[in-house]
Amino acid sequence: ELKVEQNPLFLSMQEGKNYTIYCNYSTTSDRLYWYRQDPGKSLESLFVLLSNGAVKQEGRLMASLDTKARLSTLHITAAVHDLSATYFCAPSSGATNKLIFGTGTLLAVQP
Amino acid sequence: GAVVSQHPSWVICKSGTSVKIECRSLDFQATTMFWYRQFPKQSLMLMATSNEGSKATYEQGVEKDKFLINHASLTLSTLTVTSAHPEDSSFYICSASDPGGKAYEQYFGPGTRLTVT
Repeated sequence: ELKVEQNPLFLSMQEGKNYTIYCNYSTTSDRLYWYRQDPGKSLESLFVLLSNGAVKQEGRLMASLDTKARLSTLHITAAVHDLSATYFCAPSSGATNKLIFGTGTLLAVQP
Repeated sequence: GAVVSQHPSWVICKSGTSVKIECRSLDFQATTMFWYRQFPKQSLMLMATSNEGSKATYEQGVEKDKFLINHASLTLSTLTVTSAHPEDSSFYICSASDPGGKAYEQYFGPGTRLTVT
């Protein structure tokens, strides 16, 4: 059974600072997804990582995947208040590509 | 881009009644849809995989007789919460993939907030 852990669970950071969110998962997975969720809303897709070594960047966010270590990271560069949200990683499982979500990281960027 | 809708966006029902939630893929056909449940300040938990034209596959611990899933067409899956109780109050979210497009991408609906009184 695929299990997913994220850390930290809560992250308070100042604007302009850098930080990394870690996502560890327990069994082999070919794909890993990162999502953002604002309070009361559904999920917004950030990145889909399809292979070992994949790196994707969009604005101040950069995600990477190491399938051998079963680890993905979401790096935040020069954080701004608008990035405040909950971030989830979700590796896929099985032929149907069902997603198993991590615990989530609540990010609060202080102005 | 691919769009998934849900209806209703929120619903309040009395304990013991049943509630139906619809998930539609608006501009693509989805052979597979997924249903998730999210309690406040928690992560998303996969409930079941909905397969067009066949029975849904439920995750361990999810009562299939309580959460009825029907995927009668390539654009519609429904989740019916039968004999709802206050502990069923949650945010229900569906997702779907577009096999004719980026098959690896999953598109999430806006969610349905269920409150059982």
